[in-house]
Amino acid sequence: QKEVEQDPGPLSVPEGAIVSLNCTYSNSAFQYFMWYRQYSRKGPELLMYTYSSGNKEDGRFTAQVDKSSKYISLFIRDSQPSDSATYLCAMATTSGTYKYIFGTGTRLKVLA
Amino acid sequence: GAGVSQSPSNKVTEKGKDVELRCDPISGHTALYWYRQSLGQGLEFLIYFQGNSAPDKSGLPSDRFSAERTGGSVSTLTIQRTQQEDSAVYLCASSLKGGTEQPQHFGDGTRLSIL
Repeated sequence: QKEVEQDPGPLSVPEGAIVSLNCTYSNSAFQYFMWYRQYSRKGPELLMYTYSSGNKEDGRFTAQVDKSSKYISLFIRDSQPSDSATYLCAMATTSGTYKYIFGTGTRLKVLA
Repeated sequence: GAGVSQSPSNKVTEKGKDVELRCDPISGHTALYWYRQSLGQGLEFLIYFQGNSAPDKSGLPSDRFSAERTGGSVSTLTIQRTQQEDSAVYLCASSLKGGTEQPQHFGDGTRLSIL
């Protein structure tokens, strides 16, 4: 079993829809949770960076962490065609370490 | 530039040749990471540099892979005697300092194809 599981998709939604992207994990020591967006032939771009449990909002993006269920989510409101990309979750254990453990990514297509 | 810069953006070479991939981190960032992204796989950690400390090479898949970082800035990842399974996108990231409290910022990668 992988440490981080992520549905590869593709996930297709109409423009304006609310998108929910999810990752599950097995390592209870993870404390840092990141979401990256990766466009084709580009590097991952950091979207959200959260520590421990709870919610974090940034514009149309909301990240949620549920450590009791070992489950994290990224919500995209009012989705746009420009949101079409692969979304990668990443996780890390507590300060002093440095390795990010990545999910395989979910391909999202927002249809105009 | 403002971001992490990697070169070349694409590299095609024959099996058995050596290749060098370059990474120029964000100015002022002391930590530098190399990852490998294969089709359908998540990013795989390769190596980590932090300041003048000894690098963590625990992710390097074989002794054909090596990396160095000169002057605490630019890094070079070298793959000797390339094999077809080395075909992947090699991504470099940097952070302000080491440790997971500082987010990693990525370059656009080098797409390596071994014929």
